[in-house]
Amino acid sequence: KAGVTQTPRYLIKTRGQQVTLSCSPISGHRSVSWYQQTPGQGLQFLFEYFSETQRNKGNFPGRFSGRQFSNSRSEMNVSTLELGDSALYLCASSSRGTGEQYFGPGTRLTVT
Amino acid sequence: TQLLEQSPQFLSIQEGENLTVYCNSSSVFSSLQWYRQEPGEGPVLLVTVVTGGEVKKLKRLTFQFGDARKDSSLHITAAQPGDTGLYLCAGESWQGRNAGNNRKLIWGLGTSLAVNP
Repeated sequence: KAGVTQTPRYLIKTRGQQVTLSCSPISGHRSVSWYQQTPGQGLQFLFEYFSETQRNKGNFPGRFSGRQFSNSRSEMNVSTLELGDSALYLCASSSRGTGEQYFGPGTRLTVT
Repeated sequence: TQLLEQSPQFLSIQEGENLTVYCNSSSVFSSLQWYRQEPGEGPVLLVTVVTGGEVKKLKRLTFQFGDARKDSSLHITAAQPGDTGLYLCAGESWQGRNAGNNRKLIWGLGTSLAVNP
């Protein structure tokens, strides 16, 4: 089985712009979770989608949003980027949500 | 607020040494997962422990889930440079009777391990 893929791998944006990140889960996995990882804060949960519905949400501002398509692929959008949004954004797929997570390689976002 | 504390935060050892890292909480978890993350990559699942007191072995790695399912440890025997990475634990927590929205995965901050040749 192919693993979780994320595009793009690297991204540089300026403050105020918006960005869309993409994630394709492992075939058959209906749950996709998004995380933000920074050295100081560790792995922070953003949200989880299951069968196109947001099932859980972390404590992030409304600038962070996501969606999931009928083929389980998911996108995450961040609007009005801030310097503090610079991080590694990880997508993980799972067959049942909070079960075992299978991560993609991440998208390294740098906001200047 | 549920927390998972991992210790030590950083560990630098020589090849061949043994080490143990810990994952502790005051909360009970239905299961606990261990991951290893290498620089520039996503975490990779190593093991899931479910039963209190459970011990699982993966080659030179031994994982133990506490009897009360509140803590876990990872012991590495004869560490090798290939073991270098960030070790993360994550506890699965159920809140309430129903599944779905009431299930959460709580993450520790990780133990950064460097094994020097």
